[in-house]
Amino acid sequence: DGGITQSPKYLFRKEGQNVTLSCEQNLNHDAMYWYRQDPGQGLRLIYYSQIVNDFQKGDIAEGYSVSREKKESFPLTVTSAQKNPTAFYLCASSPLETYEQYFGPGTRLTVT
Amino acid sequence: QQQVKQSPQSLIVQKGGISIINCAYENTAFDYFPWYQQFPGKGPALLIAIRPDVSEKKEGRFTISFNKSAKQFSLHIMDSQPGDSATYFCAASMHGTDKLIFGTGTRLQVFP
Repeated sequence: DGGITQSPKYLFRKEGQNVTLSCEQNLNHDAMYWYRQDPGQGLRLIYYSQIVNDFQKGDIAEGYSVSREKKESFPLTVTSAQKNPTAFYLCASSPLETYEQYFGPGTRLTVT
Repeated sequence: QQQVKQSPQSLIVQKGGISIINCAYENTAFDYFPWYQQFPGKGPALLIAIRPDVSEKKEGRFTISFNKSAKQFSLHIMDSQPGDSATYFCAASMHGTDKLIFGTGTRLQVFP
């Protein structure tokens, strides 16, 4: 059963703690992406990776970090430096040099 | 120049009616224009996409109309159904970037 999995679906953390969101895909896609979604603001790109061991900052990378040690995995760490981390986080993947991005089910992070 | 402007923010349509969502862009280098559908608590799913060499693309009840000279494109949902109630995002991309620029979304509600 191919697809993108994100875990957990809901995540609660205290302010000041780092938290890592998981994203795994078995579609054999080269590129992977992390987006943040807030009400009324659409999807904003945090980081993306086109190849293992390489990644680029998106539009809102401050306060976030990623790694791409395996083709199928692209975890996102929300650090304590992120001023407003409460949001819905979406992971996506796509074959390289195509525009079709496939999204995971998302993780809703709440920081209090 | 990198923005995609989407309207309306919300739309209420009666069952059987036509839903129309509009998007506009400035960057003439964009060459791929997808529409995504997102249900509450889920990740977006690719609905239909168009490239600027055609003025219209139809898939079932969903049609994209593209006006290259006006730098606008729109999604038409014919015979709208309550099951179409979701948030719709337009997006744009340009060759070589592997990134999508998303509009801010339109929340569609179809009432029986």
